[in-house]
Amino acid sequence: TQLLEQSPQFLSIQEGENLTVYCNSSSVFSSLQWYRQEPGEGPVLLVTVVTGGEVKKLKRLTFQFGDARKDSSLHITAAQPGDTGLYLCAGRNAGGTSYGKLTFGQGTILTVHP
Amino acid sequence: EAGVAQSPRYKIIEKRQSVAFWCNPISGHATLYWYQQILGQGPKLLIQFQNNGVVDDSQLPKDRFSAERLKGVDSTLKIQPAKLEDSAVYLCASKITRGYRNTEAFFGQGTRLTVV
Repeated sequence: TQLLEQSPQFLSIQEGENLTVYCNSSSVFSSLQWYRQEPGEGPVLLVTVVTGGEVKKLKRLTFQFGDARKDSSLHITAAQPGDTGLYLCAGRNAGGTSYGKLTFGQGTILTVHP
Repeated sequence: EAGVAQSPRYKIIEKRQSVAFWCNPISGHATLYWYQQILGQGPKLLIQFQNNGVVDDSQLPKDRFSAERLKGVDSTLKIQPAKLEDSAVYLCASKITRGYRNTEAFFGQGTRLTVV
């Protein structure tokens, strides 16, 4: 079973601050996805990164896939209260009998205070 | 486009009772997943269907959990008998299958199960 470790598990910051969430594994993934989940809702896809070293930007969010496709980061600039939620990374297996299987990290609970 | 529908939204049962959850995926989505999400953790895959066939059920506790997708559309997940540790949100997700290309999985709102 491929494991994804997310850090930090909890993050409480003030509006306007920057933050970075990390997602690490010893396994190689064919792609990695970042989701945001609000209470009482299912996860919603933010971005998919596929190529090692790839960087994608979504407004104030910057996503990076590690060169070896084993890790990823999510950076939020000037956080706003609306960014509050659970952020999940999920890696898609690169090979073997579980090819294509999506494995989730344990999530990072972000709280942005006004 | 209608999203993934799940019911019920909430369920409270006593331990050792049985419970069933229902999922209606997005029309045309051949792949369907059931995930278990315990409070404070990421979703854990229980079972993956491709049409009405099981692709992966390696993490499904088969002594008490069962799932079916008889006509390749709707799916049900059953727990019998339930244990306290089964308290969690059960998420259903579906996606279009295009070979090995990455396609987005869409999640339902989930069913929050509390076992007392």
